[in-house]
Amino acid sequence: EPEVTQTPSHQVTQMGQEVILRCVPISNHLYFYWYRQILGQKVEFLVSFYNNEISEKSEIFDDQFSVERPDGSNFTLKIRSTKLEDSAMYFCASKTGGQNEKLFFGSGTQLSVL
Amino acid sequence: EDQVTQSPEALRLQEGESSSLNCSYTVSGLRGLFWYRQDPGKGPEFLFTLYSAGEEKEKERLKATLTKKESFLHITAPKPEDSATYLCAVYTNAGKSTFGDGTTLTVKP
Repeated sequence: EPEVTQTPSHQVTQMGQEVILRCVPISNHLYFYWYRQILGQKVEFLVSFYNNEISEKSEIFDDQFSVERPDGSNFTLKIRSTKLEDSAMYFCASKTGGQNEKLFFGSGTQLSVL
Repeated sequence: EDQVTQSPEALRLQEGESSSLNCSYTVSGLRGLFWYRQDPGKGPEFLFTLYSAGEEKEKERLKATLTKKESFLHITAPKPEDSATYLCAVYTNAGKSTFGDGTTLTVKP
């Protein structure tokens, strides 16, 4: 079965550094998402992306965050200046769209900010 | 503000002991309610989508139901491999999704 691929599986960075989390969604999918899950807490929506632009974003997704689909296959989440509280598991997800709401999640990137 | 509350937080069952997980929600403009299974260190795995009150869906030992205020995930004769965290999420007409805290199910042989 096709799957959403995320790299790296674990990223360690120093506070204040920029990080880019990478995702390869399923090839025929049109809608792309980032979520995060802080250890022991619920999964939180960050942003949705469709037709090369952000369609929705949450209060968490402030100016420090940006997303990009630089080519036909990758979907990236950039955090410009990481904070300790950005430490979390970040999940990418994608779906075909329309009436098919089945969302496929990647295995996540565990971001640790020191 | 959209809210999703799952109960219980944790559930321990013996193999074969059927039970139900609850997801209560308060949202404006429900587009769909989703159930996911999440294993430790993995991303959520889609189980079901329910769109309207009265709808039911089944898959193996799992059955999901929906009313205007809550959804139930019924587990019939569970096996140890059903042990996981079960997440409920609502997707609204505004295009946002809100997850519950999840119910961690442990099934003992």
